[in-house]
Amino acid sequence: GAVVSQHPSRVICKSGTSVKIECRSLDFQATTMFWYRQFPKQSLMLMATSNEGSKATYEQGVEKDKFLINHASLTLSTLTVTSAHPEDSSFYICSASGGPFQETQYFGPGTRLLVL
Amino acid sequence: GQQLNQSPQSMFIQEGEDVSMNCTSSSIFNTWLWYKQEPGEGPVLLIALYKAGELTSNGRLTAQFGITRKDSFLNISASIPSDVGIYFCAGRGAQKLVFGQGTRLTINP
Repeated sequence: GAVVSQHPSRVICKSGTSVKIECRSLDFQATTMFWYRQFPKQSLMLMATSNEGSKATYEQGVEKDKFLINHASLTLSTLTVTSAHPEDSSFYICSASGGPFQETQYFGPGTRLLVL
Repeated sequence: GQQLNQSPQSMFIQEGEDVSMNCTSSSIFNTWLWYKQEPGEGPVLLIALYKAGELTSNGRLTAQFGITRKDSFLNISASIPSDVGIYFCAGRGAQKLVFGQGTRLTINP
């Protein structure tokens, strides 16, 4: 299968600061990357879909100015949580598809964000 | 948003027992995927199903893509302690995945 990494795995920040999370596909070219948010004991909630070189498509209710997504290359997408608040604390997970893995999604290990 | 109906929500079984879980949807999907998630980690792909009626195995895991393309099941045979986790089904339409609510599997040794 494909390998997707995320960095950092955990981050603690102060309210009002911005946090950047990186998602990388290590062994394939990811034409599409997805960003999810997961609350405790719940399923994954899609935040946005990002195609390489294009603007991200956000799901209804997700603020695009708060959650900035960049997919500048076929192996890297970034999610920036701007002016973070405690309610943004969550588990953020990216996934990638592309190349031989066009019809599936491989997930990164997730990033735990805690906003104080 | 849209979700698949996954059942059961939780299972408490003895080591060595077989496990069965399923997902149903009111919509047709082109691909069904089964993932396992452990605490603090991202979901790991277990089985991918691409054709209606397809039956696929991965070790002790077996999954089937329903003929109507609206359902799928996952079976785990002879469960072992490392099978503990949350199992999610996901249906893929054009590009996005729609997830089930998950089945939390607990195994008593």
